[in-house]
Amino acid sequence: NAGVMQNPRHLVRRRGQEARLRCSPMKGHSHVYWYRQLPEEGLKFMVYLQKENIIDESGMPKERFSAEFPKEGPSILRIQQVVRGDSAAYFCASSPTRQGNNLNTEAFFGQGTRLTVV
Amino acid sequence: TQLLEQSPQFLSIQEGENLTVYCNSSSVFSSLQWYRQEPGEGPVLLVTVVTGGEVKKLKRLTFQFGDARKDSSLHITAAQTGDTGLYLCAGRNQAGTALIFGKGTTLSVSS
Repeated sequence: NAGVMQNPRHLVRRRGQEARLRCSPMKGHSHVYWYRQLPEEGLKFMVYLQKENIIDESGMPKERFSAEFPKEGPSILRIQQVVRGDSAAYFCASSPTRQGNNLNTEAFFGQGTRLTVV
Repeated sequence: TQLLEQSPQFLSIQEGENLTVYCNSSSVFSSLQWYRQEPGEGPVLLVTVVTGGEVKKLKRLTFQFGDARKDSSLHITAAQTGDTGLYLCAGRNQAGTALIFGKGTTLSVSS
């Protein structure tokens, strides 16, 4: 059973270009989370998605960032018109379908995409 | 706002020593999780603690959840160089929609 797969592992973009980060959750997982990590700042929550639905995007910047999790295919985090400040490691995590009101469902992380904006 | 404060931020010790790292909050969490992250990799889940006062052991690692479910600690006995890494604690936000992470403790174990 493969883990959470993210690609690419490394991505270099020039300022103003678009960055697309992909995440395939673990088999049987229908919940996807995106996090951004900067050195010494910890993991910051960005967005929580289920298939075809955005559940919580409270951590997403208001502009240039968007995320989707289509019925078929991987989840995509899209950053338009990248700036140097977008350089970071972006992690995706997935968890299985929540059962009832169980809020203790564990999340499993991918290896991340390291975005460098030059 | 729910926050998780981890201490110390950095810890450098010799192989064979014992250590404890802490995760504290003013908020109550239904559960807390501990992850370990190595450079260039994603966080790997070590344990989830659910019940106030719970103690879980994973080989040389002992995890404790405070009685009030506001804090947790990780104790490592006889540290090894392979324990080197970033240790993160995390808890679900009240809506249950996200894991909130502390900034982590960077542990360096030298031989």
